[in-house]
Amino acid sequence: QVQLVESGGGVVQPGRSLRLSCEGSGFSLATSGMYWVRQAPGKGLEWLAVIWYDAMNTEYGDSVKGRFTISRDNSKNTLFLQMSSLRAEDTGVYYCARNGKSMRFAMDVWGQGTTVTVSS
Amino acid sequence: ETVLTQFPDTLSLSPGDRATLSCRASQSVGGDYLAWYQQKPGQAPRLLVYGASNRATGIPDRFSGSGSGSEFTLTISRLEPEDFAVYYCQQFSNSRGSFGPGTRVDFK
Repeated sequence: QVQLVESGGGVVQPGRSLRLSCEGSGFSLATSGMYWVRQAPGKGLEWLAVIWYDAMNTEYGDSVKGRFTISRDNSKNTLFLQMSSLRAEDTGVYYCARNGKSMRFAMDVWGQGTTVTVSS
Repeated sequence: ETVLTQFPDTLSLSPGDRATLSCRASQSVGGDYLAWYQQKPGQAPRLLVYGASNRATGIPDRFSGSGSGSEFTLTISRLEPEDFAVYYCQQFSNSRGSFGPGTRVDFK
């Protein structure tokens, strides 16, 4: 069964850092592009970042570029999101998602999400 | 950055009705890199349509996508009770993606 499970969320003070993890099962992350998407409370979805098969090519949304870093550990079949200089507006549910093969950059498998709250 | 606009914001309908949701891009979306997702409260989004018009695995045929360039449509031919949810379009261009603000389909 193909599955993604996020972890690492919690309450963090503004300006601090946090690392999220996303463990895949039933498929190999090494052969998949992977995304992070977030959703602020009561708001819509926001595209944050992508990492491609070779792990060298990454892209970020404007709101997180320079503060967040996406990476992967293929040996652990795990995706990461390192978040630094956190702000109140980074509060929300963070989802990881898989790039669907031959699906024109659509996200075909999603995790259940992990919640990040940035507050003093 | 390609900005997506969805309309209407809310669609108030009854089971059995036809729903037509629109998504407009600020510039042409090449390769039809346009997808639609459904999200219910407390749940992760679910992929419905990719490549503008291809249904994802397991999606009922009452869902259909159409359009190209900068104008796209998701149609639900006959609403079932489980279809009342929020729907998002998403595009990918210039190596980055973005989502529209969503259309809520609720009970009339």
